[in-house]
Amino acid sequence: DAKTTQPTSMDCAEGRAANLPCNHSTISGNEYVYWYRQIHSQGPQYIIHGLKNNETNEMASLIITEDRKSSTLILPHATLRDTAVYYCIVRVNAGNMLTFGGGTRLMVKP
Amino acid sequence: GAGVSQSPSNKVTEKGKDVELRCDPISGHTALYWYRQRLGQGLEFLIYFQGNSAPDKSGLPSDRFSAERTGESVSTLTIQRTQQEDSAVYLCASSLDRVRKLFFGSGTQLSVL
Repeated sequence: DAKTTQPTSMDCAEGRAANLPCNHSTISGNEYVYWYRQIHSQGPQYIIHGLKNNETNEMASLIITEDRKSSTLILPHATLRDTAVYYCIVRVNAGNMLTFGGGTRLMVKP
Repeated sequence: GAGVSQSPSNKVTEKGKDVELRCDPISGHTALYWYRQRLGQGLEFLIYFQGNSAPDKSGLPSDRFSAERTGESVSTLTIQRTQQEDSAVYLCASSLDRVRKLFFGSGTQLSVL
């Protein structure tokens, strides 16, 4: 699996957009970008995934650069409940496990 | 139930004892994963089951760890002769075969005294 690089931590003001970057410069053509988050004392929760087109769902938007070497997860209006560790993962869409790196600890502040 | 269920939610044991952790995946999910998460750390892959294929055991840290799954149902993770370094949250996840979205349980907090 391609390795990902994320900032260790980020702060965001409540109500503002949270933009979480992820670098995956060694991504292969058949590897998807996945985002999960883990709120304290809970199991990780799926957020969104994409291959090359930008994606949006009820939770977030995923922007993938044209060369696919990086992506950004956008939470359009962050709330205090969005405080969590956010994991960016790249993986082919078949086969074995997802590998979780260190993630970004997002702190949403009032 | 609608989600992945794990039991017990908390387990306290003495060093040297064996423990068994249980995971009930979402019905119909053929893939099942076990991860370990030590305090303040990221997720560490342990083992993966996919249908009737041989499991991927590449993440098991030692031969004290083993896991079983019967068909596409319940899985049990067994830790023999527990050590203090086994203390962690053990997370189970399941997914549909061709869909990579994992659904996680709430985990079992294991404390080895």
